[in-house]
Amino acid sequence: EIVLTQSPATLSLSPGERATLSCRASQSVSNYLAWYQQKPGQAPRLLVYDASNRATGIPARFSGSGSGTDFTLTISSLEPEDFAFYYCQQRSNWPITFGPGTKVDIK
Amino acid sequence: EVQLVESGGGLVQPGRSLRLSCAASGFTFDNYAMHWVRQAPGKGLEWVSGIGWNSGTVGYAGSVKGRFTISRDNAKNSLYLQMSSLTTEDTAFYYCALLGAVAAFDYWGRGTLVTVSS
Repeated sequence: EIVLTQSPATLSLSPGERATLSCRASQSVSNYLAWYQQKPGQAPRLLVYDASNRATGIPARFSGSGSGTDFTLTISSLEPEDFAFYYCQQRSNWPITFGPGTKVDIK
Repeated sequence: EVQLVESGGGLVQPGRSLRLSCAASGFTFDNYAMHWVRQAPGKGLEWVSGIGWNSGTVGYAGSVKGRFTISRDNAKNSLYLQMSSLTTEDTAFYYCALLGAVAAFDYWGRGTLVTVSS
């Protein structure tokens, strides 16, 4: 099973600041990595697929990068609605696995 | 508009069984793989099971293998999860998710809560 590790666990920032979230895989997942945003009481929402492709309707301030074992989700300038949980997920090997999540909260 | 609506959750005693359903609409159901993902209250996401468009490929997380069975009925645009030998560790919101054209979970249902407790 591929284990995904996310850091930091919590990121405390102010609106307008840049957020950098990390996801590391226990073995290469090529570029088969996605990022999701989840707000309390809601289902997750796909942000980025295949490491660097923004999903439909996702604002340009969200960007993904990386390949192999190290990946990054960057939010260039935080908007109030961006404070939420973020999860990475790999589909390189079954079982599909998710990272434990990063909480982005307001400083 | 893509819609995924889960049902069948509820309170069940440890050791008992429960069957979840997911009604799909707004897309060509039999073109896509479908999955179940769960989330224990206050915890992260855990992939549970997935099934290919024609049921030819199925997979399970180690934590549910041998106890849960995924199936689909393309004629009814429905996905199912038969859960047996339930334990308190299975308490979670269960989401139905569409593995779309970009091979990521681009549509999710609102989830159904399964509570395993005596």
